[in-house]
Amino acid sequence: AQSVTQLGSHVSVSEGALVLLRCNYSSSVPPYLFWYVQYPNQGLQLLLKYTTGATLVKGINGFEAEFKKSETSFHLTKPSAHMSDAAEYFCAVSDGGSYIPTFGRGTSLIVHP
Amino acid sequence: NAGVMQNPRHLVRRRGQEARLRCSPMKGHSHVYWYRQLPEEGLKFMVYLQKENIIDESGMPKERFSAEFPKEGPSILRIQQVVRGDSAAYFCASTEEGGSGNTIYFGEGSWLTVV
Repeated sequence: AQSVTQLGSHVSVSEGALVLLRCNYSSSVPPYLFWYVQYPNQGLQLLLKYTTGATLVKGINGFEAEFKKSETSFHLTKPSAHMSDAAEYFCAVSDGGSYIPTFGRGTSLIVHP
Repeated sequence: NAGVMQNPRHLVRRRGQEARLRCSPMKGHSHVYWYRQLPEEGLKFMVYLQKENIIDESGMPKERFSAEFPKEGPSILRIQQVVRGDSAAYFCASTEEGGSGNTIYFGEGSWLTVV
C-alpha cells in the first residue's frame, strides 16, 4: 500500500529565505512522486514529478525536489521564497500497482515580508 | 486551450436535496478522477473512471454517492439526500490514459455547501 506523510501542516518563512517542505512516502514498489501547489479557491497545479532517472527534479517557479530512496523522502525546496509562493503544497505518490495517486494532507506555506 | 472544466463552481443545497457536479476532462483525456477535500484533511480519493466504465470506486461512500462518465458528455458526481457532512470541495482530475507515472490535471473544483 502506498502512503504519504507531510511533516508540518504549516511552514512559515521570511521572503528571500530557503523553503523546505518535507515529504516521506511509503510504497511497496518504486514510486512515482509528485508535488502539487494549490492557491486559494483554485485547483491543484503540478509543480514537478519524479518517475525514473535523475533523482533531482526541477519544476516550475524555481522549485526542485530530490528523490532519496534510502530515506524514502521527496522534499521540496526553493532557495529564495517569494510572497507569491504562499499557498498549499501537496505531495503525492503513485506506485506501479495503482493508477490512483495518494495525496498527503498538505503543507501551508506562509511567507512573511 | 481548455483545461479540466468543472461546474458549478459553487453549489448550495438544503439537507435532503440532490447535488450534481459535472466535469469535462481535458481534450484527449479518457480517464477521470474525483477527489474530495475537507479542511485540514487533504485530498481523499473517491472514484476513478474511464469512459463508460468505473475502474475503481473504493473511495466512494457506500450510500448516496454515485459517479458516471458516459461515452458522450461530462463525468457526473451525484450526491443524493445531501447532509451537512457532504459540504466540501470536490475536485475532478483527468489524464490521457491509465498509468502510475502519468500526470493528472485538476479542475478548479466545485464547492458544495449544505445548509
